Amino acid sequence: LAKTTQPISMDSYEGQEVNITCSHNNIATNDYITWYQQFPSQGPRFIIQGYKTKVTNEVASLFIPADRKSSTLSLPRVSLSDTAVYYCLVGEEGGSYIPTFGRGTSLIVHP
Amino acid sequence: DTGVSQNPRHKITKRGQNVTFRCDPISEHNRLYWYRQTLGQGPEFLTYFQNEAQLEKSRLLSDRFSAERPKGSFSTLEIQRTEQGDSAMYLCASSRTSNEKLFFGSGTQLSVL
Repeated sequence: LAKTTQPISMDSYEGQEVNITCSHNNIATNDYITWYQQFPSQGPRFIIQGYKTKVTNEVASLFIPADRKSSTLSLPRVSLSDTAVYYCLVGEEGGSYIPTFGRGTSLIVHP
Repeated sequence: DTGVSQNPRHKITKRGQNVTFRCDPISEHNRLYWYRQTLGQGPEFLTYFQNEAQLEKSRLLSDRFSAERPKGSFSTLEIQRTEQGDSAMYLCASSRTSNEKLFFGSGTQLSVL
C-alpha cells in the first residue's frame, strides 16, 4: 500500500491560491490519487480524483507529474469556508482496496 | 440520493455498557466502511462489507467490536463493555464499488464516562 506524506498544517488568506502537495514515492502503476476534505464534526467529503497529468472540477485542480510520485491539490481563491483538513489517498481501483487516511493537512484561511 | 445516514449522532454511555450504532448507506451502494476518528487524527479503518459479506475485520480494535450488514443494506457496529478509550467519532461510508469515491455520514460521537 502506497504511503502518503502531507504537511501537517498550512495557513493562507482569503482570495489566495492554495497548493497542498502530497508525496507518494511508492505509488503503484494502477493506483489512483484521491483527495478528501473534512470539516469539524462531519465526515470527509470527496473533492477530486486523478491518475496522471491534470484534473479540474468546479472545486479544485489536481496536478500529477509524469513520475506520479507526488500530487498537488490546488484550491483557487480560497475563502474562510475552505478552512478544513485535506486528505490525500492513494490506492488501486478494484480488488481489496481499502481507503486509508493519514493525518491530513489542516488548512486555516485567515481574513 | 439521500446520503449516508448515521444514528445516533451522539451517544453518552457509562464504562462497561454495550452500545450499537446504525448506518444506512446510499441505496445500491455495495460497499460499506466503518472508521473511527479521534481528535487530530485521520479516520482509522475498522472494517468493510461488500454487500452482506464482511471482507476485512482484522483491524477491528478488539474482540469487543463487531459489525454486521445482514441484508446488504444497513449496517450496525457494536461495542461491548465500553472503555473510556473507545470515546471517539465513529464514521460510516459507502461507495458503489471499490475505489469509487466514498460518501461519508456525519458520524456518531461516542463519549464513555
